[in-house]
Amino acid sequence: ELKVEQNPLFLSMQEGKNYTIYCNYSTTSDRLYWYRQDPGKSLESLFVLLSNGAVKQEGRLMASLDTKARLSTLHITAAVHDLSATYFCAVDMNFGNEKLTFGTGTRLTIIP
Amino acid sequence: DGGITQSPKYLFRKEGQNVTLSCEQNLNHDAMYWYRQDPGQGLRLIYYSQIVNDFQKGDIAEGYSVSREKKESFPLTVTSAQKNPTAFYLCASSDSGGATYNSPLHFGNGTRLTVT
Repeated sequence: ELKVEQNPLFLSMQEGKNYTIYCNYSTTSDRLYWYRQDPGKSLESLFVLLSNGAVKQEGRLMASLDTKARLSTLHITAAVHDLSATYFCAVDMNFGNEKLTFGTGTRLTIIP
Repeated sequence: DGGITQSPKYLFRKEGQNVTLSCEQNLNHDAMYWYRQDPGQGLRLIYYSQIVNDFQKGDIAEGYSVSREKKESFPLTVTSAQKNPTAFYLCASSDSGGATYNSPLHFGNGTRLTVT
C-alpha cells in the first residue's frame, strides 16, 4: 500500500522568509503532483513532476523530485501573505491509471 | 469557460436517507473521480471512472455508489450504509488515459455534506 507523508503538517512563517515542505512516499512512482487549497475551496494544480531530478518553478514556489529517495520538496522563497493555504502532494504509483494517493497536507500560514 | 460543476454547494440530510451529489464537466475529459476530504486530512478516493459505463472502487467505496452513463456526468450517491457521511466531497476529472498520462486532475468546488 502506497503511503504519502508530508511534513510539517502545520507551518507558520513570517513574510520574507524561506522554507521547505517535504513529501515522502513509500513505493516507486513515476509521477508526483503538488496542489494548493484555500480554506473551504477546491484544489488548484501547482506542479506536475514526471522524472527524477525534475524541477519546476512558478513565482516564489519551486518543486523538485528525487525518485531514488522517494522525496519531493516544495520550496517557498521570500514568503508573502498570499501564499497562505494548505499544500498537498499526491503520488501516482500506477502508470496510466492516475489513481492518486494524497498526503495529509501542510497548512501554511504567512504572518505579516 | 470549461470546468467542473458540483452541486449543491451545501447539503443537509437526516441520518438514514440516501443523497446524490451532482458532478458535471464540459472539459471533454474521459476520466472522472470522487474524493472525500475530512477536516485536517488529505483526500481519499471513493470511486473513479476512466470511460463511460465503467467505474472502479477506490480506497473507501463502502457506503457509496456511482454511475457513468454520460461522459459529462458522474453522480455520487451517499447511501444510508455509509457510517460517517459528513464530509467535504470533491469531484475531479482529467484528460489522461493513454499517451497524455501526465495531466493533473481538475477539481470542482466541492459539496459540503452534513448528516444529522
